[in-house]
Amino acid sequence: DVKVTQSSRYLVKRTGEKVFLECVQDMDHENMFWYRQDPGLGLRLIYFSYDVKMKEKGDIPEGYSVSREKKERFSLILESASTNQTSMYLCASSAPKDSGPSYEQYFGPGTRLTVT
Amino acid sequence: GQQVMQIPQYQHVQEGEDFTTYCNSSTTLSNIQWYKQRPGGHPVFLIQLVKSGEVKKQKRLTFQFGEAKKNSSLHITATQTTDVGTYFCAVSFYNTDKLIFGTGTRLQVFP
Repeated sequence: DVKVTQSSRYLVKRTGEKVFLECVQDMDHENMFWYRQDPGLGLRLIYFSYDVKMKEKGDIPEGYSVSREKKERFSLILESASTNQTSMYLCASSAPKDSGPSYEQYFGPGTRLTVT
Repeated sequence: GQQVMQIPQYQHVQEGEDFTTYCNSSTTLSNIQWYKQRPGGHPVFLIQLVKSGEVKKQKRLTFQFGEAKKNSSLHITATQTTDVGTYFCAVSFYNTDKLIFGTGTRLQVFP
């Protein structure tokens, strides 16, 4: 079974702190994604990566950065956390689109981050 | 930017009633995926549709892709309490691996 794990289920940080959210997948997937989920807004893409050391901005990258030093690990960084970054953060991975008939995304359990 | 509209936002049904959620795009899609997220859980892939006019079934769930590849629907026949959750469509445009998720339809089923 594909497994995507995230470093924390719940996290509480103070405004201005630097926050690291870690995601690890064990399926050797090339693609990895970070989303935030807020009520009524669905899942919004923050950043994604097609390969090691490669990153692309999603729809809401402001206030975030990412790091992908190894294929299995994709980190989301909040350089200076703010209260409007309180949210559920979901990591996902997938095979490339042209690799087969389906390239569904596999999600981790999520990290609920509260910034006070 | 490219967007996808999903309706309705909420649906409350009596157990045994049918349920449908719709996903619409103004741009032709490469393909569409559907996910289900149970309360407190994470999204789980249900199905992918690729071809114009495609219809796929999974037990009581029927998925359709429009002829113009701009819209899709998920229909559940005779809902059960286990169907409770939020259903998301996720669309893909040509030449990109990323998905754009709809805002989801939250289904509540009363016994």
